[in-house]
Amino acid sequence: GAVVSQHPSWVICKSGTSVKIECRSLDFQATTMFWYRQFPKQSLMLMATSNEGSKATYEQGVEKDKFLINHASLTLSTLTVTSAHPEDSSFYICSADGGYLNTGELFFGEGSRLTVL
Amino acid sequence: SQKIEQNSEALNIQEGKTATLTCNYTNYSPAYLQWYRQDPGRGPVFLLLIRENEKEKRKERLKVTFDTTLKQSLFHITASQPADSATYLCALEGGNNRLAFGKGNQVVVIP
Repeated sequence: GAVVSQHPSWVICKSGTSVKIECRSLDFQATTMFWYRQFPKQSLMLMATSNEGSKATYEQGVEKDKFLINHASLTLSTLTVTSAHPEDSSFYICSADGGYLNTGELFFGEGSRLTVL
Repeated sequence: SQKIEQNSEALNIQEGKTATLTCNYTNYSPAYLQWYRQDPGRGPVFLLLIRENEKEKRKERLKVTFDTTLKQSLFHITASQPADSATYLCALEGGNNRLAFGKGNQVVVIP
């Protein structure tokens, strides 16, 4: 099946620094990728929809200047958390639209655990 | 407001029995509904998709029903095994092909 790779799987950083998370579709091209955030025992909250070659569409309440998304190619999207603060500590998960399979299925990465000290 | 509700209490079930989970939704008109499995510290893994014009879908030991009148989906795991222990997420098509997720329901299968 389709594979989505996310890196790093965990990262610890100091408050005020920026962190970049990569999401790659390994064996298919994804014109659309999605970024989610999940707090403990909570649902996945969609942060933004990333389309290759165009600006990301952010969900209400998500600061686009804080969470920078770049979808430069059909296999790579990046999320940069700028000037991270402890409240940004969370589990960030990307998914890619496997639309070519015509199943509606989303393929998820393994997630990136961000801890901001 | 829009809501997707799954039972917050873990379902403890004896091995071999059928586990049944419920997903209720409000103020959505989803074209399809999906179920995912999520293990601790991992990303969700797709299990099944059921469309609005389908009543039931099966895949191996899994069965999903979708009642658009009741605005409810039931997810069944038959002949449950300890390896089925995980959190199961209900997800709805929330417009523009975006998925909205419930909080998930944990299943613990007791050997």
